[in-house]
Amino acid sequence: QKEVEQNSGPLSVPEGAIASLNCTYSDRGSQSFFWYRQYSGKSPELIMSIYSNGDKEDGRFTAQLNKASQYVSLLIRDSQPSDSATYLCAVNTGDDKIIFGKGTRLHILP
Amino acid sequence: NAGVTQTPKFQVLKTGQSMTLQCAQDMNHNSMYWYRQDPGMGLRLIYYSASEGTTDKGEVPNGYNVSRLNKREFSLRLESAAPSQTSVYFCASSEGRGDTEAFFGQGTRLTVV
Repeated sequence: QKEVEQNSGPLSVPEGAIASLNCTYSDRGSQSFFWYRQYSGKSPELIMSIYSNGDKEDGRFTAQLNKASQYVSLLIRDSQPSDSATYLCAVNTGDDKIIFGKGTRLHILP
Repeated sequence: NAGVTQTPKFQVLKTGQSMTLQCAQDMNHNSMYWYRQDPGMGLRLIYYSASEGTTDKGEVPNGYNVSRLNKREFSLRLESAAPSQTSVYFCASSEGRGDTEAFFGQGTRLTVV
């Protein structure tokens, strides 16, 4: 069974600090990786996608991918209270099956 | 542009009843998905359809059936609902190139009593 693993948290980070979220996956054939944000009672929304090893930056968000270690991370700089949400790591396994981790709850402390 | 539309938004069923959750997308996407979300469990894939006319089991298919009616529509059927199927159900779609992200509907909150 292909798996995506995340620490469920909660992860508490002071406002203005860097939040670091981590994810590992089991299928070495996976080609594309995503981070979704989900507010309570809402649908998941895509915030970052990454396809190749290295870093990808978009505003305050940086996604990092290391395929050799089967590891994906998301850094949120200058954390804001509005960043408080559950962050879901997702993997497209190449056969167009998209599977998710259990999510990490992030709390930004004012 | 509506994106992914699910109906109904809320539903209460009695144990043993059947129902179909409807999903339609207007983005001309090839792939469609059904997930369930339970507290602390993230999103678990029930079934997916990589193209019109094909369906495949996901992580938790037992107790469910699906139909890919056409390119736009993908329905999820519970033949005999059980309390363990109480959950929030999300439909999603993607372009289906094997490297694309999923876009989600607003979810259906289902309670089986």
